[in-house]
Amino acid sequence: QKEVEQNSGPLSVPEGAIASLNCTYSDRVSQSFFWYRQYSGKSPELIMSIYSNGDKEDGRFTAQLNKASQYVSLLIRDSQPSDSATYLCAVFNAGNNRKLIWGLGTSLAVNP
Amino acid sequence: ETGVTQSPTHLIKTRGQQVTLRCSSQSGHNTVSWYQQALGQGPQFIFQYYREEENGRGNFPPRFSGLQFPNYSSELNVNALELDDSALYLCASNLGLNTGELFFGEGSRLTVL
Repeated sequence: QKEVEQNSGPLSVPEGAIASLNCTYSDRVSQSFFWYRQYSGKSPELIMSIYSNGDKEDGRFTAQLNKASQYVSLLIRDSQPSDSATYLCAVFNAGNNRKLIWGLGTSLAVNP
Repeated sequence: ETGVTQSPTHLIKTRGQQVTLRCSSQSGHNTVSWYQQALGQGPQFIFQYYREEENGRGNFPPRFSGLQFPNYSSELNVNALELDDSALYLCASNLGLNTGELFFGEGSRLTVL
């Protein structure tokens, strides 16, 4: 089992719809969770971080964390073509390990 | 505030050669991490430097080495280049060790022929 798993996609949604991106992780002591957006040929950019169970909203983005199920998701409301990118989930353990573990990313295409 | 800058942005080398990639961290950041990202893959952690000392290393051979300087800028050196070293090399900086909030440079795309 990979430490951080994401569906590779591509996930295709029409403009204006809600895009739902999912991520599961295997290490129960993971403490903080991040979503990075990466446009083709560019470097990753942090768009959301979440540290406790529940929802965290920032504009059109909502991150959801469920530590019991070891699951973190990213919802993008009113999807725009400019949201088309690869979304990387990253999980951090601040214990002895202190490593940021990355998923392979989900490719999102928002169709006009 | 100056962001993370990397150089060169693109370079082509041949098998067996050596390469040095450079990174200037964001102002105020004392921690630099290096990642390798092959096409269609997530970033693979190479190593991290904190206050000029290596603090954590991924599953990369010793021919991948690095340095961090007193101004917190950093270098990644790769010796005896192999074709599989062709990738986007990403530098990320942050403040301290206990965070996953990284700020990336634009990357250096290395092609090994």
